[in-house]
Amino acid sequence: EPEVTQTPSHQVTQMGQEVILRCVPISNHLYFYWYRQILGQKVEFLVSFYNNEISEKSEIFDDQFSVERPDGSNFTLKIRSTKLEDSAMYFCASSGPQPQHFGDGTRLSIL
Amino acid sequence: QQQVKQSPQSLIVQKGGISIINCAYENTAFDYFPWYQQFPGKGPALLIAIRPDVSEKKEGRFTISFNKSAKQFSLHIMDSQPGDSATYFCAASYLLLSGNTPLVFGKGTRLSVIA
Repeated sequence: EPEVTQTPSHQVTQMGQEVILRCVPISNHLYFYWYRQILGQKVEFLVSFYNNEISEKSEIFDDQFSVERPDGSNFTLKIRSTKLEDSAMYFCASSGPQPQHFGDGTRLSIL
Repeated sequence: QQQVKQSPQSLIVQKGGISIINCAYENTAFDYFPWYQQFPGKGPALLIAIRPDVSEKKEGRFTISFNKSAKQFSLHIMDSQPGDSATYFCAASYLLLSGNTPLVFGKGTRLSVIA
């Protein structure tokens, strides 16, 4: 069964550094999303992406965040200058249009 | 308006018993209600979903009951097994022709099925 893959599985970064999280969505899907889950809390929407542009973003997705689909397969989330509170699991999802299928996430740890 | 309230926060059920998790929503524009199952270290995996044009949907041991007037929906797991021990999230969104709407998740229920 096709799946969403995310790399790396765990990223440790110093506060203030830039980090890029990578995702390979399911190949025939057209809609892409990033969510995050702070330890023990609910999954929260960050941003959705369709047709090479952002469709919708939450208040969490501020100017420090950006998304890109640099080629036909990858979908990336960049955090420009990480803060301690960015520590969380980040999940990529894709759909065509529903249901949304999630990857196993990247655990981002900010030191 | 965008919240989905989920209860209980945690649930312990005997093997073979029925697990029931409840959710309530506020936004009447929501018309798609999936349940996701999450095991430790894994992403949420779609379990079952329902649209508001039906009051119940069953897939194997999993059933969603939907009450549109009360704006509530629930997940029933029949004959609960230890392998069902996981965190369950309800969610809601609305389907557009463009199909690109984010999911609003409940806070999750940690289910433990004990032998």
